[in-house]
Amino acid sequence: QVQLQESGPGLVKPSETLSLTCTVSGGSINNYLWTWIRQPAGKGLEWIGHISTSGRTNFNPSLKSRVTMSIDTSKSRFSLRLTSVIATDTAIYYCARGEALYPLDVWGQGTTVTVSS
Amino acid sequence: EIVLTQSPGTLSFSPGESATLFCRASQNIVTSYLAWYQQKPGQAPRLLIYSASSRAIGIPARFYGSGSGTDFTLTISGLEPEDFAVYYCLQYDSSPHTFGQGTRLDIK
Repeated sequence: QVQLQESGPGLVKPSETLSLTCTVSGGSINNYLWTWIRQPAGKGLEWIGHISTSGRTNFNPSLKSRVTMSIDTSKSRFSLRLTSVIATDTAIYYCARGEALYPLDVWGQGTTVTVSS
Repeated sequence: EIVLTQSPGTLSFSPGESATLFCRASQNIVTSYLAWYQQKPGQAPRLLIYSASSRAIGIPARFYGSGSGTDFTLTISGLEPEDFAVYYCLQYDSSPHTFGQGTRLDIK
């Protein structure tokens, strides 16, 4: 079955850029909305945004000025970049699969990113 | 942005009992694109219900979703020990997609 795996640095310095990649295995990357969600420790879930396999993006307005996403269908992976990070960007970051008319049904295990000097 | 408010914040029940969780939207979700997730400590959320009332693949029949418009519920009948977790609702009707703040279901 489809599996997602997040990867990237676990520690990022304040004002720098957080970069994560999600690799899709066991299924096609095509025709889905590939999504990033984050969750500060002990808190709720925040939808960051998604990217389609055609490269169309949709971001949470609260993060839009700092977020970019990209996708490489040939390598079955997609990425998140969050610039100018601050301490409150510290969270578990999840990647997940969704569709236009269907919610997030496959999730990665999550990766913890800490913003600290 | 559609704000989802879940209630109560915490529920305490014994195994075998039934629990009802609530999710209220700040705007009408005309499409009923409302999902419910279960999250256990150290795990990613798991999809339980989509389109307000359809169970996802492999989800037991004791999980029942209902509602429309702005008011949605998740009922869990005959609580099993593995059901004690945090539950979130998600609206995927409009952007940005938004989650409720969660309801914790504890063992009494």
